[in-house]
Amino acid sequence: QVQLVQSGAEMKKPGSSVRVSCKASGGTFSTYGISWMRQAPGQGLEWMGGIIPIFGTANYAQKFQGRVTIIADKSTTTAYMELSGLISEDTAVYYCAREGLGGGVPHPSYLHYWGQGTLVTVSS
Amino acid sequence: EIVMTQSPATLSVFPGERATLSCRASQSVSRKLAWYQQKHGQAPRLLIFDASTRATGIPARFSGSGSGTEFTLTISSLQSEDLAVYYCQQYKEWPPMYTFGQGTKLEIK
Repeated sequence: QVQLVQSGAEMKKPGSSVRVSCKASGGTFSTYGISWMRQAPGQGLEWMGGIIPIFGTANYAQKFQGRVTIIADKSTTTAYMELSGLISEDTAVYYCAREGLGGGVPHPSYLHYWGQGTLVTVSS
Repeated sequence: EIVMTQSPATLSVFPGERATLSCRASQSVSRKLAWYQQKHGQAPRLLIFDASTRATGIPARFSGSGSGTEFTLTISSLQSEDLAVYYCQQYKEWPPMYTFGQGTKLEIK
């Protein structure tokens, strides 16, 4: 059974950066994409970007280009999302999710397994 | 960017009745459409992928239909545990540019 366990809640100052981890267990790590989403309080889901670990190159939503970095460490089966230049509007729960279609072929996919979410609060 | 629009924003249904949720895409996504259920304080859970395929362990009362730009999630006989917000998501493009609908909040009358 695939499980994604995310790092704990973070409190950050405006202008700083935050890094959230997503440790995967069960199943194959390298050939399934990992996506990152966020959900502001009372709001819907927003896709930020994703990576297929075996390829190592991430794709990002235009809104977050230049501010977000997603990497995957195959040796520890852990994905990371770093968001810089934090503002109060970045206060949200951040989720990682593993895609349902793997096989090491680049293709779009639904999001099958989700982490528990990490609350990031940005406040002075 | 493909914009996903869900309706209604809130739906109130009696237990045992049918609930019908809609999702519209701003351009064709073929059948590359998923539905997720998010209960209060929890992470989303995959219900349906490829427009109509139930994910493992999802009860048969949940069904999906549609293709192109119009999609429907139907809950045939509403149970109290179905209280949640439901999101649709398209995954048509590569490189990925996934987008979600704004959600439908399902209330139990």
